Amino acid sequence: QTVVTQEPSFSVSPGGTVTLTCGLSSGSVSTRYYPSWYQQTPGQAPRTLISSTNTRSSGVPDRFSGSILGNTAALTITGAQADDESDYYCELYMGSGIWVFGGGTKVTVL
Amino acid sequence: QVQLVESGGGVVQPGRSLRLSCAASGFTFSSFAMHWVRQAPGKGLEWVALISYDGSKKYFADSVKGRFAISRDNSKNTLYLQMNSLRVEDTAVYFCGRSASPVDAVDMWGQGTRVTVSS
Repeated sequence: QTVVTQEPSFSVSPGGTVTLTCGLSSGSVSTRYYPSWYQQTPGQAPRTLISSTNTRSSGVPDRFSGSILGNTAALTITGAQADDESDYYCELYMGSGIWVFGGGTKVTVL
Repeated sequence: QVQLVESGGGVVQPGRSLRLSCAASGFTFSSFAMHWVRQAPGKGLEWVALISYDGSKKYFADSVKGRFAISRDNSKNTLYLQMNSLRVEDTAVYFCGRSASPVDAVDMWGQGTRVTVSS
């Protein structure tokens, strides 16, 4: 069974840039997986940041961007702010109506 | 106001059943596919199930296939998750979410309802 992989944690300085990745245990991520990215703080519902690789959701600041980097999907935060400290999840469409989340990346801003 | 509101969570014994509801308002419910996503305590998000806009297509994660059923009543703007043969590992907060189509990401989420399976 294919597993969606994410870095467990990342630390970034205020104003800095961080790139989170979303890969597959077997194979490469491409646009056909419709990669999406969600932000979640403890006790809250997820917030959709990016859909279909690089489409920013309404109201999402442009410091968040999505892309394909090599064989992974990527979420880049440029100019990180304190309130970007959250858990970030990617989700991939596996076909036949099936979606799979990655394990999430905890981002610390300090 | 555009929103999704889940209900129906609670404490249930292993092997029993529970039905969750997700009431939609402020948008044309019948035009959107709908998802259930869950999050066990201290764990990450897990996609559970998806239903097409008209209810004709339904998809499930392997972990719930054969035990859970997803349905919708477009006349009542409500999504359901019937959970049977519940296991301790089904303990989680269950979120509903909408997407423009089965290949689109969830673009709006409910606040979640907590399900605890315990003897």
